[in-house]
Amino acid sequence: NAGVTQTPKFQVLKTGQSMTLQCAQDMNHNSMYWYRQDPGMGLRLIYYSASEGTTDKGEVPNGYNVSRLNKREFSLRLESAAPSQTSVYFCASSESVSLANYGYTFGSGTRLTVV
Amino acid sequence: KQEVTQIPAALSVPEGENLVLNCSFTDSAIYNLQWFRQDPGKGLTSLLLIQSSQREQTSGRLNASLDKSSGRSTLYIAASQPGDSATYLCAVSSPGNTPLVFGKGTRLSVIA
Repeated sequence: NAGVTQTPKFQVLKTGQSMTLQCAQDMNHNSMYWYRQDPGMGLRLIYYSASEGTTDKGEVPNGYNVSRLNKREFSLRLESAAPSQTSVYFCASSESVSLANYGYTFGSGTRLTVV
Repeated sequence: KQEVTQIPAALSVPEGENLVLNCSFTDSAIYNLQWFRQDPGKGLTSLLLIQSSQREQTSGRLNASLDKSSGRSTLYIAASQPGDSATYLCAVSSPGNTPLVFGKGTRLSVIA
């Protein structure tokens, strides 16, 4: 099925460990996003990439880095995981950031626990 | 800064009832508004997308309306079913190449 694919689906990390969350889309979208979802906080934007070769900070970028590897792939890296980064992470994509005629498409999420 | 509010945070209704979910946003200069459904432990599924030039969109038993001037959108669900139980989120897209801003959602329970 066409869409947004995230790996892994689940991950447990120890404090201080690093990891990279992978995201790939096959809809030829220009823009990609990383959100985190926490109880009572809703979805908050971490980073986004309006087009290949560009990345911008969102609302909660501290502790994260991103790489737009090519048009299809956008990865999120935690260099030194902290318990506060325990969350569900969603990747999304769209034709463009604002004028998305078909809206945003989301992946199924990565559940990350930092102990 | 755009802010999106959804009230109520939770709603429980008996099966068969028609219901309305509310979404309000602070800056009326939006490009579009998108309603999503999220089942427990799952990702977001897009339900309806309303462009700023539109007043409403319909899909099956769902109807979403948009009133930009008042900064409000409603999602109407007709003849609710237990399978409609989920969290419903609205999100708005604004000028300035800024990504979607989400409300915190309304958790709907439809009781058989």
